[in-house]
Amino acid sequence: DAKTTQPNSMESNEEEPVHLPCNHSTISGTDYIHWYRQLPSQGPEYVIHGLTSNVNNRMASLAIAEDRKSSTLILHRATLRDAAVYYCILRGVGNEKLTFGTGTRLTIIP
Amino acid sequence: DAEITQSPRHKITETGRQVTLACHQTWNHNNMFWYRQDLGHGLRLIHYSYGVQDTNKGEVSDGYSVSRSNTEDLPLTLESAASSQTSVYFCASRDEGDTQYFGPGTRLTVL
Repeated sequence: DAKTTQPNSMESNEEEPVHLPCNHSTISGTDYIHWYRQLPSQGPEYVIHGLTSNVNNRMASLAIAEDRKSSTLILHRATLRDAAVYYCILRGVGNEKLTFGTGTRLTIIP
Repeated sequence: DAEITQSPRHKITETGRQVTLACHQTWNHNNMFWYRQDLGHGLRLIHYSYGVQDTNKGEVSDGYSVSRSNTEDLPLTLESAASSQTSVYFCASRDEGDTQYFGPGTRLTVL
């Protein structure tokens, strides 16, 4: 299975943009890039996913490198409620194993 | 609003007992999943189902079973609970757009 690499932790100031990186150098052509986040004592929550093109939704943006070996989750204006562990996950068609690694623990500084 | 619920939220049991964790979703999703989350391992897939009467093993299925008699429910059974099954268990369902919706989790302690 293709693996992802994320920093263990990041800090950001409230109301500023946050860029969360993810490396996936062994990604295959059919792997989608998914991002989930997990707030303390809650189940994971879907954030965004994409294949090749950059994606935007009400929560965040996903910027995918042209060679697809890395991607960046962008939170445009961080709030205290965005403090969570963010997981970058690859999922290929027909592969049910959403492999959650250790993720990036994001701390928001008021 | 549609939702996914799990019960109980907390459970303490003894080694060797049978335990069933409930999962119920009201989105009418065909695809449902069970994960466990342990420190140092992230979430790991236990079992999954694509629809009624369909069940499949995930990466850590030993000691667990599931059944799917209707679209809304996917109960997870531990046939003979072991201390190694102490964990937080999450149920999820997936929509046609490939988004998984997770329940609030069940914290299980096996003494």
